[in-house]
Amino acid sequence: EIVLTQSPNFQSVTPKEKVTITCRASQSIGTSLHWYQQKPNQSPKLLIKYASQSFSGVPSRFSGSGSGTDFTLTINSLEAEDAATFYCHQSSSLPFTFGGGTKVEIK
Amino acid sequence: QVQLQESGPGLVKPSETLSLTCTVSGGSVSSGSNYWTWIRRPPGKGLEWIGYIYYSGATNYNPSLKSRVTISIDTSKNQFSLRLSSVTAADTAVYYCARVFGELFIDYWGQGTLVTVSS
Repeated sequence: EIVLTQSPNFQSVTPKEKVTITCRASQSIGTSLHWYQQKPNQSPKLLIKYASQSFSGVPSRFSGSGSGTDFTLTINSLEAEDAATFYCHQSSSLPFTFGGGTKVEIK
Repeated sequence: QVQLQESGPGLVKPSETLSLTCTVSGGSVSSGSNYWTWIRRPPGKGLEWIGYIYYSGATNYNPSLKSRVTISIDTSKNQFSLRLSSVTAADTAVYYCARVFGELFIDYWGQGTLVTVSS
């Protein structure tokens, strides 16, 4: 099973600040890495597919990069509505696995 | 717009079987482009993939749950279902049904349903 390690686990950020979340895979997964945002009491929403492709309707301040084992989700100019837990997910091999999550709090 | 809705009991006794159904609207479970999946989130923990099913009935399960899980599909009702046997308190979680686009990324999720295992 491929293990995904996210960092940091928690981040407290002021509005308009830049946020960077990393996801490291235990073995190479190419670009089969996707990012989701889960707000409190909501289901997860797809933000980025295949490491760097924005999903339909996602604000342009969200971007992704990386390949192989190291990936990054960047939120440029954080907005208050972005408070959530963010998860990475790999579909390179079964079973699907998720990172442990990064909770982003607004100061 | 594809929508998914979970339904089933919110309380299950230990050692019994958890059963949930996901009803899909705005799309067809018979679409050859997609897989249909169950994912759960225990309280205070992250997301765990349970398994998925294709319209043909082909399935794939998480090895950690494989001995207890059955996912089935009913194309006539546009639904798919989850059964998890011999549940314990560790199976308490919010259960989500979702669509997997092409065996790759998860593009639509249900709202989730909390299932508590308790006597």
